[in-house]
Amino acid sequence: DAMVIQNPRYQVTQFGKPVTLSCSQTLNHNVMYWYQQKSSQAPKLLFHYYDKDFNNEADTPDNFQSRRPNTSFCFLDIRSPGLGDAAMYLCATSRDPIQTQYFGPGTRLLVL
Amino acid sequence: AQKITQTQPGMFVQEKEAVTLDCTYDTSDPSYGLFWYKQPSSGEMIFLIYQGSYDQQNATEGRYSLNFQKARKSANLVISASQLGDSAMYFCAMRDYGGSQGNLIFGKGTKLSVKP
Repeated sequence: DAMVIQNPRYQVTQFGKPVTLSCSQTLNHNVMYWYQQKSSQAPKLLFHYYDKDFNNEADTPDNFQSRRPNTSFCFLDIRSPGLGDAAMYLCATSRDPIQTQYFGPGTRLLVL
Repeated sequence: AQKITQTQPGMFVQEKEAVTLDCTYDTSDPSYGLFWYKQPSSGEMIFLIYQGSYDQQNATEGRYSLNFQKARKSANLVISASQLGDSAMYFCAMRDYGGSQGNLIFGKGTKLSVKP
């Protein structure tokens, strides 16, 4: 059974049109992460939540926001997608910040 | 600063043979963890194996083993009896436990192709 679920698997949006990606988990983990992975590159951490505490990476653009309404769900909002935001977006969870991270299947975002 | 280096952009291996994927790391923190992930073309990052800096023995998980050489700062992944389904990108990653909330640092990855 899937433990970290991401919806949708593929998302097409228009330049400048806000888009929301969803992540849910059945592991009851305290930490949820969002990564951006561009073609042929390593994943890049955007931000993470440790319980309700939000931790933004210093170089994450303001265009990217996140919400975690409860333990199970976490959302990635891209306020005004640009062509350079086309990428795979990976959600991951861990029990605490030093434990192993488990990833979802990812959402491939295409910006037209 | 922390750094993970994977020097092999691509590797080929014959089915049923063993293959070693190289990973070297750099950190000044004595307490850290090393991870290997597999990423098939579908995109999901699959956790394979973990090695802690204080672990005395090399980690093993089924056909995966981690050749941990602390003095050389290397953490190579060994896959025994390769299968066609092993064809994927493989990422080495490190997390130190003294820094900013233990974020994972990834290498650039190695693309493994298993030939029938």
